Amino acid sequence: QVQLVQSGAEVKKPGASVKVSCKASGYTFTSHWMHWVRQAPGQGLEWVGIINPNGGTTSYTQKFQGRIMLTRDTSTSTVYMEVRSLRFDDTAVYYCARDVSNSATAWWFDTWGQGTLVTVSS
Amino acid sequence: SELTQDPAVSVALGQTVRITCQGDSLRKYFASWYQQKPGQAPILVIYAKNNRPSGIPDRFSGSSSGNTASLTITGAQAEDEADYYCNSRDSSTNHWVFGGGTKLTVL
Repeated sequence: QVQLVQSGAEVKKPGASVKVSCKASGYTFTSHWMHWVRQAPGQGLEWVGIINPNGGTTSYTQKFQGRIMLTRDTSTSTVYMEVRSLRFDDTAVYYCARDVSNSATAWWFDTWGQGTLVTVSS
Repeated sequence: SELTQDPAVSVALGQTVRITCQGDSLRKYFASWYQQKPGQAPILVIYAKNNRPSGIPDRFSGSSSGNTASLTITGAQAEDEADYYCNSRDSSTNHWVFGGGTKLTVL
């Protein structure tokens, strides 16, 4: 079955960087783009960015341009999200989610990782 | 562009409830819907207007008209109490955007 397993919780100081992993299994890794979504405590879901495991093309929401980088390792079917220059308001649960689409008008996130809590604290 | 959802909706046990999502991008793209319970990752409940993944009860259905997408639960159960989020592609940026979420209470 399709499964996304993320790395464990992290505690970082402001200004530091964090790298979260998302290991995919149960499907052809390069056949589906991968999204990252974050959720601050008590808040809603926020789309962060997307990576195409087949080639590494990325796109990020304007809010995170320059501070977030998505990469992938096809040999281990793993995508990574690195957040640089961490701020207190980056404290959130970060999810990876597999992209599926059937046309140019419908996309959905059919499988989600379990989430990784990143806490930014001095 | 944004997707707008009512922050909270309530429904009596066994009754029908509709959760809506409004946004200009919905005139061009279909919405998907996600259910999230406290402390859990979201799960997909409706995609491509009115399709359910396997394992999602048929009391969940979706529809779309103009700039509004709707998630309907027909015969709400206690276990349906959760936060519900819509998502669609943003027609102006080609990125993706979530609605603010609707907290559903089953009375």
